[in-house]
Amino acid sequence: DTGVSQDPRHKITKRGQNVTFRCDPISEHNRLYWYRQTLGQGPEFLTYFQNEAQLEKSRLLSDRFSAERPKGSFSTLEIQRTEQGDSAMYLCASSLGDSGNEQFFGPGTRLTVL
Amino acid sequence: TQLLEQSPQFLSIQEGENLTVYCNSSSVFSSLQWYRQEPGEGPVLLVTVVTGGEVKKLKRLTFQFGDARKDSSLHITAAQPGDTGLYLCAGAHYDYKLSFGAGTTVTVRA
Repeated sequence: DTGVSQDPRHKITKRGQNVTFRCDPISEHNRLYWYRQTLGQGPEFLTYFQNEAQLEKSRLLSDRFSAERPKGSFSTLEIQRTEQGDSAMYLCASSLGDSGNEQFFGPGTRLTVL
Repeated sequence: TQLLEQSPQFLSIQEGENLTVYCNSSSVFSSLQWYRQEPGEGPVLLVTVVTGGEVKKLKRLTFQFGDARKDSSLHITAAQPGDTGLYLCAGAHYDYKLSFGAGTTVTVRA
């Protein structure tokens, strides 16, 4: 299966701890996106990469959040000093250039902050 | 605040019945996607519509994009229990990020 993969699928952490999530996009997809989804809501845009360049960060992404995509392949999303309000599903998606902006999502990482 | 409004929020029907989900916005989109999401999983892309007035059919699912590219609908004919899930619409504005609706939870009872 060559779809988008995310690791871990689930993460439980205590408030104040740092966590890091990984996303492997579909190979050759040059665009990679991070979204966050809370219960009863649709996904909300967090940030976006084209190749290795991070081109936009949402206001939802506080200073405690950082994302990287070294060499334009996989990406990591780190949350420092986690808060209970960070509990959500973190989704990664990838797309290929201007292909109608079709984005393909991974299975997500469910974060629970105690 | 969701840029796209989906209705209804919940829909429960009997197997074999038809259903329609609506997605409305005051914004014009360059394209609109429909996804289906299972609990604990990521959204799965069903279709992308690009042209105003466009109609696409996938077996028992019919998707329509409004003439002004501001709204869309998803119609399911003869629904089956396997159609149960959260249906999400998402619009793109000539850029790279999607704006999602809050979703419609569809339950098809056997």
